[in-house]
Amino acid sequence: DTGVSQNPRHKITKRGQNVTFRCDPISEHNRLYWYRQTLGQGPEFLTYFQNEAQLEKSRLLSDRFSAERPKGSFSTLEIQRTEQGDSAMYLCASSVSGTGGSPLHFGNGTRLTVT
Amino acid sequence: DQQVKQNSPSLSVQEGRISILNCDYTNSMFDYFLWYKKYPAEGPTFLISISSIKDKNEDGRFTVFLNKSAKHLSLHIVPSQPGDSAVYFCAASANVYSGGGADGLTFGKGTHLIIQP
Repeated sequence: DTGVSQNPRHKITKRGQNVTFRCDPISEHNRLYWYRQTLGQGPEFLTYFQNEAQLEKSRLLSDRFSAERPKGSFSTLEIQRTEQGDSAMYLCASSVSGTGGSPLHFGNGTRLTVT
Repeated sequence: DQQVKQNSPSLSVQEGRISILNCDYTNSMFDYFLWYKKYPAEGPTFLISISSIKDKNEDGRFTVFLNKSAKHLSLHIVPSQPGDSAVYFCAASANVYSGGGADGLTFGKGTHLIIQP
């Protein structure tokens, strides 16, 4: 299966530590998205790449968050100086750009717990 | 301000009957709508979509209806099966050509569908 892959699946960290998550999109997809989901809410858009260019960032993405997609392949999301409010499921999705719309294909997420 | 609203947090339906999940939106710029299904500990899985130029799209047991004047869409599942028990998210995009690109998709809070035997 060549779906969207996210690692790690779970991460527990202490407040103030830095964490990094990785996402490997579907290979032919040129668009990559990061979303965050908290309990009882739908996924919330964080940021989006087309190839290696980061084209959009939500205001939810504070200065402590940084995302990269070197060479337009996998992506990493780093959170510096984690806070308890960062505890959430971080979802990565990918899609193909083009006319007619293209649904996002999501990975299984990384669940972050900040203690 | 929630731009995509799913007002029923949960819905219980008997196996074999029709399940109807509802979604309302407020942003008139939305032109592409999707339904996702999510099992616990998994990411959302795409189910079905509809663009604003249509009022109905069907795929097997799943049909999505769009009423633009009422800013309302619904997902019908018939017949409902035990494996349909999951959380269903309605999502919308303001640019059909990007499929949720530039702004990403805006999701509702989800409806937990429970199919009873």
